[in-house]
Amino acid sequence: EVQLVESGGGLIQPGGSLRLSCAASEFTISDNYMSWVRQAPGKGLDWVSVIFRGGNTYYADSVKGRFTISRDNSKNTLYLQMNSLRADDTAVYYCARDDGRYWGQGTLVTVSS
Amino acid sequence: QAGLTQPPSLSKGLRQTATLTCTGNSNNVGNQGAAWLQQHQAHPPKLLSHRDNNRPSGISERFSASRSGNTASLTISGLQPEDEADYYCSAWDSSLSAWVFGGGTKLTVL
Repeated sequence: EVQLVESGGGLIQPGGSLRLSCAASEFTISDNYMSWVRQAPGKGLDWVSVIFRGGNTYYADSVKGRFTISRDNSKNTLYLQMNSLRADDTAVYYCARDDGRYWGQGTLVTVSS
Repeated sequence: QAGLTQPPSLSKGLRQTATLTCTGNSNNVGNQGAAWLQQHQAHPPKLLSHRDNNRPSGISERFSASRSGNTASLTISGLQPEDEADYYCSAWDSSLSAWVFGGGTKLTVL
């Protein structure tokens, strides 16, 4: 059964950094395109970043220059390095495969002093 | 980045048919179609329809997606109580090189 399991969320002060992980099972992440999507409390879905099979990466304007998406093929794991975090980055962060066929359960990131 | 446009809410009766719409432009919906997602409170989204309007395995035939120009539609027939949820459309925008989402439609089944 395909599974995506996010981890690495938590409470962080503004300006801090976090790295989120998304461990995939029963498929190979490098054979698919993988995205990070976030959802602020009570709000809609907000795309963050994508990494395509060939390694090309793209970011939402709101996170460009602060967040970095990457993958470790040997660990079959997707990452999101988040730097210079702001209060408006507070959200549940999901990883998703392709056009949303599979989603993880999400990990909560709270940016607050 | 500009998103896709969805009506914020829709109310329909039990066993009725609901049609949800998602409007974009020629760089996103009109170019590559839109995927449809369903989200119940405190759960991750679930894909109802791929961008090519095909349903993933396990998705009920009551959910049917289509597209006309820059507008995508999701039709839900025979509404059930469990269909009450938030529905989102998403598409790749080739001009922005970004995924864009609609703001979501909250469907209430009366």
